[in-house]
Amino acid sequence: DTEVTQTPKHLVMGMTNKKSLKCEQHMGHRAMYWYKQKAKKPPELMFVYSYEKLSINESVPSRFSPECPNSSLLNLHLHALQPEDSALYLCASSQDGLAGVTGELFFGEGSRLTVL
Amino acid sequence: AQSVTQLGSHVSVSEGALVLLRCNYSSSVPPYLFWYVQYPNQGLQLLLKYTSAATLVKGINGFEAEFKKSETSFHLTKPSAHMSDAAEYFCAVSEGGYNKLIFGAGTRLAVHP
Repeated sequence: DTEVTQTPKHLVMGMTNKKSLKCEQHMGHRAMYWYKQKAKKPPELMFVYSYEKLSINESVPSRFSPECPNSSLLNLHLHALQPEDSALYLCASSQDGLAGVTGELFFGEGSRLTVL
Repeated sequence: AQSVTQLGSHVSVSEGALVLLRCNYSSSVPPYLFWYVQYPNQGLQLLLKYTSAATLVKGINGFEAEFKKSETSFHLTKPSAHMSDAAEYFCAVSEGGYNKLIFGAGTRLAVHP
């Protein structure tokens, strides 16, 4: 199993809603990532969990709240988002923790978020 | 800080023609370099990676890339393009040897009959 599974694939929410994006991997990977990708742009790193601890927060607004309940799951809780937060949110995992050097990230297909 | 620059946001080739996608890196330490591909409405998939073992790196789907330190380049090539190669291609560098990827702006490859 070499898959990273993200749910939901599509999400539409209002600015007052609370929703969550979910990510799951069963490859035994020790690092998990959230990336944000705007249309026609490269992915931008948001958060990194390494060995279930938050290792990197790229100055992401607090309306995005990550959670890593266990080594296989990664959530992104969304609250009071703005229309400019509409984007494709990609989850990824890597075999090593953040300090590993294999460099290969396995990406999910993403959750496309629209904020009205 | 490390960075990569992809030259050409759009590249168009004929089916069967050579594919050349350009990437230059900026790094004060030996870099780890990667090429990822993204098909429409999908996540990213690793094509190949350079981690100092060999300067010519072969990847999936017939792609390869050559690391040239003197030119600070890591260009992606494929001898013969297929229609199925049409996608967005991202060059990336691993910052500080960590699994933290910094992506280039991307190059959209179009393949026409």
